[in-house]
Amino acid sequence: QKEVEQDPGPLSVPEGAIVSLNCTYSNSAFQYFMWYRQYSRKGPELLMYTYSSGNKEDGRFTAQVDKSSKYISLFIRDSQPSDSATYLCAIVPNQGGKLIFGQGTELSVKP
Amino acid sequence: AAGVIQSPRHLIKEKRETATLKCYPIPRHDTVYWYQQGPGQDPQFLISFYEKMQSDKGSIPDRFSAQQFSDYHSELNMSSLELGDSALYFCASSSEFGELFFGEGSRLTVL
Repeated sequence: QKEVEQDPGPLSVPEGAIVSLNCTYSNSAFQYFMWYRQYSRKGPELLMYTYSSGNKEDGRFTAQVDKSSKYISLFIRDSQPSDSATYLCAIVPNQGGKLIFGQGTELSVKP
Repeated sequence: AAGVIQSPRHLIKEKRETATLKCYPIPRHDTVYWYQQGPGQDPQFLISFYEKMQSDKGSIPDRFSAQQFSDYHSELNMSSLELGDSALYFCASSSEFGELFFGEGSRLTVL
């Protein structure tokens, strides 16, 4: 079992829809959680970074962490075609440590 | 704002040749990470450096080596290249706060 499991997709939604992207992790000691967006042939772009249970909002994006269930989510409101990309959840076991990535979810937002 | 700079962006080599990739982290970031991403895969951690010392090691082949220099830039050296080494190689850097920022990657093609 991978340390981080991500719903693989692909996911296709109409423009304006709410998107939910999800990951689970195996080790309750993991402390830091990130979401990256990666366009084709580009480097991963950091979207959200959080280290506590609860919600963190940034514009149309909300990251949710439930440490008791070892579950993290990224919600995208009012999705746009420009949101079409692969979304990767990532966990850092401890500050300064390496990222452990989920497998990525490919999202397509249709106009 | 300054980002992580990688060079070269594209590199074509033949089997058994040697390649060197360079990474210039964001100023004042003290940790550098190298990742390898094959087609359709999530990035795989290779190696990291903190304050010029190797801090962690992942699935890096023995044919590969890396170091971080006094100006904090890092180089990944790959020898005896194999077809399977064809991939995107990302460098990332992080600050004391733990957020990792990625460069645009170096695409290596081994023929």
